[in-house]
Amino acid sequence: EIVMTQSPATLSVSPGERATLSCRASQSVSGNLAWYQQKPGQAPRLLIYGASTRATGIPARFSGSGSGTEFTLTISSLQSEDFAVYYCQQYNNWPPWTFGQGTKVEIK
Amino acid sequence: EVQLVESGGGLVQPGGSLRLSCAASGFTFSSYWMHWVRQAPGKGLVWISHTNRDGRSTTYADPVKGRFTISRDNAKNTLYLQMNSLRAEDTAVYYCARDGGFPRPFDSWGQGTLVTVSS
Repeated sequence: EIVMTQSPATLSVSPGERATLSCRASQSVSGNLAWYQQKPGQAPRLLIYGASTRATGIPARFSGSGSGTEFTLTISSLQSEDFAVYYCQQYNNWPPWTFGQGTKVEIK
Repeated sequence: EVQLVESGGGLVQPGGSLRLSCAASGFTFSSYWMHWVRQAPGKGLVWISHTNRDGRSTTYADPVKGRFTISRDNAKNTLYLQMNSLRAEDTAVYYCARDGGFPRPFDSWGQGTLVTVSS
């Protein structure tokens, strides 16, 4: 099973600032990495797939990068609606499809 | 518009059973793999099961293997999760999710249904 590790657990950022979230895989997942956003009481929403492709309707301030075992999600200028928990997920080796433990982006 | 609506959650005693449903609309249900993902209170997302398009191929996470059964009725556009021998640690919100097909993973999610296992 591929273990996904996200850092930091919590990120405190002021509105308008840049946020950088990291995700590491225990073995290579090639570019088969997705990012999801989850707000309290809501279902997750797909943001990024293929490590760097934005899903339909996702604003350009969200960008993803990386390959192999190291990945990054960057939010270029945080808006109020971006404060949420973000999960990475690998879909290269399955089952199981595995998620990271999440990074909470909170208002500083 | 793609819609996934889960139902069937509730309070059940340890050792009991429950069947969850996920009604799909807005897309050709039979063309997509489907998944169940759960989230314990205050915790992260955990994948638990998947089925292929015709339901003949299924996979399970180890914690639920032998206790949970995923199935689908393509004529009714509905995904199911039969949960038996429930334990306290199965308490979670259960989401159904559509597999968008490579390279798009879980591209649509339902709103979730809460299962509470407690005496």
